[in-house]
Amino acid sequence: EVQLVESGGGLVKPGESLRLSCAASGFTFSNAWMTWVRQAPGKGLEWVGRFKSRTAGGTIEYAAPVKDRFIISRDDSKNTLYLQMNSLKSEDTAVYYCAMGFCAGSSCHWDDALAVWGQGTMVTVSS
Amino acid sequence: QSALTQPPSASGSPGQSVTISCTGTSRDVGAYNYVSWYQQHPGKAPKLMIYEVNKRPSGVPDRFSGSKSGNTASLTVSGLQAEDEADYHCSSYAGSNIMIFGGGTQLTVL
Repeated sequence: EVQLVESGGGLVKPGESLRLSCAASGFTFSNAWMTWVRQAPGKGLEWVGRFKSRTAGGTIEYAAPVKDRFIISRDDSKNTLYLQMNSLKSEDTAVYYCAMGFCAGSSCHWDDALAVWGQGTMVTVSS
Repeated sequence: QSALTQPPSASGSPGQSVTISCTGTSRDVGAYNYVSWYQQHPGKAPKLMIYEVNKRPSGVPDRFSGSKSGNTASLTVSGLQAEDEADYHCSSYAGSNIMIFGGGTQLTVL
């Protein structure tokens, strides 16, 4: 069974740091382009960033609100995706999901359709 | 990139059809046929319902359909059922390897 499980959420003060993890199983993690998406309480989804597979170049993209503060990394030997969040602000309060696209036949949808999602982990930034 | 625009709410009676819109710009929805729709029940993770504007992943009922005209995409749910009551989010590829989402629409089955 394809599965993503996030962990590491919690309550932190503004300016502090937190690292989230996403453990993957049931598929070849090293081939997957992995994405972080967040959802503030009562709000819509917000794309945070994406890490391409190493074979596809391993490039990382970030949304403007988190660029220069958040760092996405991956350890393919541990089938794990990470989100290092620094200089946290109250507006970063959200449920954080890791997610993944999919391939259907010869066509892959890594950057436009997220078919597999974790259960999410809550991050609260408050003094 | 600004978020896509969705109506905050929509509703319909069982058996009826309801359409939810998702408006972007010529740089995202209008530029690419890579619009997706997600269903999200309270406290749950989103579920992919539509991709590439009008394609359904395996297991999604054909009551769910998607379309696009210009900078606006739409999700239509036909033959509404009680279990369709959920939040629906649209997304679009926006170029430069970036994805953007809409603000979400709460669908109520009356």
